Amino acid sequence: EAAVTQSPRNKVAVTGGKVTLSCNQTNNHNNMYWYRQDTGHGLRLIHYSYGAGSTEKGDIPDGYKASRPSQENFSLILELATPSQTSVYFCASGTGTGNTEVFFGKGTRLTVV
Amino acid sequence: GDSVTQTEGLVTLTEGLPVMLNCTYQTIYSNPFLFWYVQHLNESPRLLLKSFTDNKRTEHQGFHATLHKSSSSFHLQKSSAQLSDSALYYCALRTGYNKLTFGKGTVLLVSP
Repeated sequence: EAAVTQSPRNKVAVTGGKVTLSCNQTNNHNNMYWYRQDTGHGLRLIHYSYGAGSTEKGDIPDGYKASRPSQENFSLILELATPSQTSVYFCASGTGTGNTEVFFGKGTRLTVV
Repeated sequence: GDSVTQTEGLVTLTEGLPVMLNCTYQTIYSNPFLFWYVQHLNESPRLLLKSFTDNKRTEHQGFHATLHKSSSSFHLQKSSAQLSDSALYYCALRTGYNKLTFGKGTVLLVSP
């Protein structure tokens, strides 16, 4: 079973502060994704990556940055956190070839106060 | 851009009745890949079904779906709902650019 590990699992941050969410996968997958999950909106793609050194904007990238320093690691950075970024964030990884599935981490619950 | 539209909100069913969750998509890509993911309470989404072949039925764990490119649809069905089917279901679309787009999700609640 593919392994995707997110840290931290829970985070409370203050408005205006910097938050970094980390994701590690040991599946040697090329593609990695960051989603946020909100009731009524489903899973929305924030950033994704094709491999080390690459990051691509998803559908809702504003207010977020991403970093892929290695094949295994993909971080999501909130430089100036706002209460509207309170959500559950999921990282996922996959080989990227058409019909293959992606594997999700357990999620990070972020609360910005 | 790509988009996925699902049956909205909450679907409630009595155990034993058939399940039908709708999914339609929009993309300019001619060979899309379609997926259904299921997320049980306090868990992560996981793959339920996938397809990229037009008009071919795909089945897994009692669920089935058929990709119809003519109508841009990939509806999820099951002949008889079980209590354990209660979950959040997502339809998802991948195009050749590897971007994976999900719909808003449909909560299925099966009652005795």
